[in-house]
Amino acid sequence: AQSVTQPDIHITVSEGASLELRCNYSYGATPYLFWYVQSPGQGLQLLLKYFSGDTLVQGIKGFEAEFKRSQSSFNLRKPSVHWSDAAEYFCAVGSYGNKLVFGAGTILRVKS
Amino acid sequence: GAGVSQTPSNKVTEKGKYVELRCDPISGHTALYWYRQSLGQGPEFLIYFQGTGAADDSGLPNDRFFAVRPEGSVSTLKIQRTERGDSAVYLCASSLGRDTEQFFGPGTRLTVL
Repeated sequence: AQSVTQPDIHITVSEGASLELRCNYSYGATPYLFWYVQSPGQGLQLLLKYFSGDTLVQGIKGFEAEFKRSQSSFNLRKPSVHWSDAAEYFCAVGSYGNKLVFGAGTILRVKS
Repeated sequence: GAGVSQTPSNKVTEKGKYVELRCDPISGHTALYWYRQSLGQGPEFLIYFQGTGAADDSGLPNDRFFAVRPEGSVSTLKIQRTERGDSAVYLCASSLGRDTEQFFGPGTRLTVL
């Protein structure tokens, strides 16, 4: 069965510092991988996705993620965090019919 | 253009009651999904519609849960004999079709007292 693990429940970084959120997945075939962001009271917004091709994927708001098949990972990165990036981040893997399996999420706090 | 909308935004009900949650997808999106997000967890898949038919309902937890999409647009998630454990945020998403980006609505927060 497909599964997604986000090892970090909470992460705190200083504004302007770099960020890496970890995601590991379990999937039997080539996965479709996604990162979503959820701000309080708002719906999920897609940051970026990987379907195939270049393993380094660029997304919105300056985020990027790298697909590493050998490590079953799809970590999210940003070189310089802004206070507005504080939110909850979800990694997800797509399966048959495109239903998504989500991780438990990582809450990002940004220190000024 | 308009995004996915869900009504009501909040619903408080008593244990044992029946509730309906509505989802209006983005116009032209043929695929529609329901997810449930419990506190402190990621969304969990419930059901997927392609057009009017449920293509995958493997995530519905039991037969108290049912969803319809009679005209291939608006969908209603129905929960009978609600239980306190049904309290969660119910999210709806739509997409142009299989293997395309899902756009999520703001969710309906269901509280069962």
